Amino acid sequence: QSALTQPRSVSGSPGQSVTISCTGTSSDVGGYNYVSWYQQHPGKVPKVMILDVSRRPSGVPDRFSGSKSGNTASLTISGLQAEDEADYYCCSYAGSYSWVFGGGTKLTVL
Amino acid sequence: EVQLLESGGGSVQPGGSLRLSCAASGFTFGTYAMSWVRQAPGKGLEWVSGISGNTVSAKYVDSVKGRFTISRDNSKNMVYLEMDSLRADDTAVYYCTKALFGGCEYWGQGTLVTVSS
Repeated sequence: QSALTQPRSVSGSPGQSVTISCTGTSSDVGGYNYVSWYQQHPGKVPKVMILDVSRRPSGVPDRFSGSKSGNTASLTISGLQAEDEADYYCCSYAGSYSWVFGGGTKLTVL
Repeated sequence: EVQLLESGGGSVQPGGSLRLSCAASGFTFGTYAMSWVRQAPGKGLEWVSGISGNTVSAKYVDSVKGRFTISRDNSKNMVYLEMDSLRADDTAVYYCTKALFGGCEYWGQGTLVTVSS
């Protein structure tokens, strides 16, 4: 049950693209196509941005995309906007109704 | 519209107990797994416990095994988290979530649990 590994911080300028990685093991990220991503602004409830590795829930802009290769999943945000500045967390199913989160990544829009 | 409403948080002394409740509406409750996720002050998200729709399967993060118990009442659309032997490091906002294998699709507003003497 070790936390997934995310970079502590990433940054980008408005209009640019950034990618946040999320590394796990064959028991979680690599074992299931069940990775999700959440955006959290300070003091707010986390908001789901990606489900099932790459599925965007209704209302999430298509600037947000997810992918996975082996034990590493990625969230890419294209056309960065000021309101994208937030903390981002990945999460993976780990079997038998258990999940594991990453440590979180702070995105700064320069 | 899916709604999840947590209650039961509060302040408790180390070693004490609390029972969190989550009232769900807007979906076929018994069909879906539910999870509790917590966030300590200034820290990241941590999955705490999950339960299958039919209540057969329940899992816990290692740090709460033997102290926390998740349960649900599908006739009342409720999920619970019974927390015993609480410690200072259990202090957090606890969120109730509607859980798909692929992620926590909906979140409640959270309830704050503070463990302090």
